[in-house]
Amino acid sequence: DIQMTQSPSSLSASVGDTVTITCRASQSISSFLNWYQQKPGKAPKLLIYAASSLQSGVPSRFSGSGSGTDVTLTINSLQVEDFATYYCQQSFRIPFTFGPGTKVDIQ
Amino acid sequence: QVQLVESGGGVVQPGRSLRLSCAASGFTFSTYGMHWVRQAPGKGLEWVALISYDGSNEYYAESVKGRFTISRDNSKNTLYLQMNSLRGEDTAVYYCAKDDTIAVVPAAILDYWGQGTLVTVSS
Repeated sequence: DIQMTQSPSSLSASVGDTVTITCRASQSISSFLNWYQQKPGKAPKLLIYAASSLQSGVPSRFSGSGSGTDVTLTINSLQVEDFATYYCQQSFRIPFTFGPGTKVDIQ
Repeated sequence: QVQLVESGGGVVQPGRSLRLSCAASGFTFSTYGMHWVRQAPGKGLEWVALISYDGSNEYYAESVKGRFTISRDNSKNTLYLQMNSLRGEDTAVYYCAKDDTIAVVPAAILDYWGQGTLVTVSS
């Protein structure tokens, strides 16, 4: 199975900050990497697919980059509604593994 | 708009069975692959199973292979997860999710999710 790791596991930030989350795969997954946002008690929401494509309706302050084994999610000008947990997921090979998550909370 | 509504969760004893359902609306259900993903209390997401648009192909996580069966009824726009020989470690919120691609091989990009249904395995 492809193992996914995320760093950091948690971070504290302020409104207006730029935040970067890194996802690393145990082997190359090309650009088969998706990002989800989850708020407490809610279902995950797709933000970015294929490493850098913004899902319809998602604010442009979210962006993704990278390929191979290292991919990043960047949130520019963090807003109150962005405080949540973020998961990466590889769609390169079954089983479609998720990263352990990065919790972004208010500093 | 796309809606996915799970049902069938509850408390069940170890070793027993349970069937989850996911009612889909707002899109052409019969043309998309569908997934089940679970989340143990306070934990991360775990992909469980995938079924192709026509039900001809099924894929499972190793942790549930041989115990869980994913199926679909395209005439009823409904996805199912039959869970047998349940264990404590199967305790989780189970989400159904739509694959975003109309293709023979789903892309595993999960663009819509249901609200989840809680399964608790306990004696």
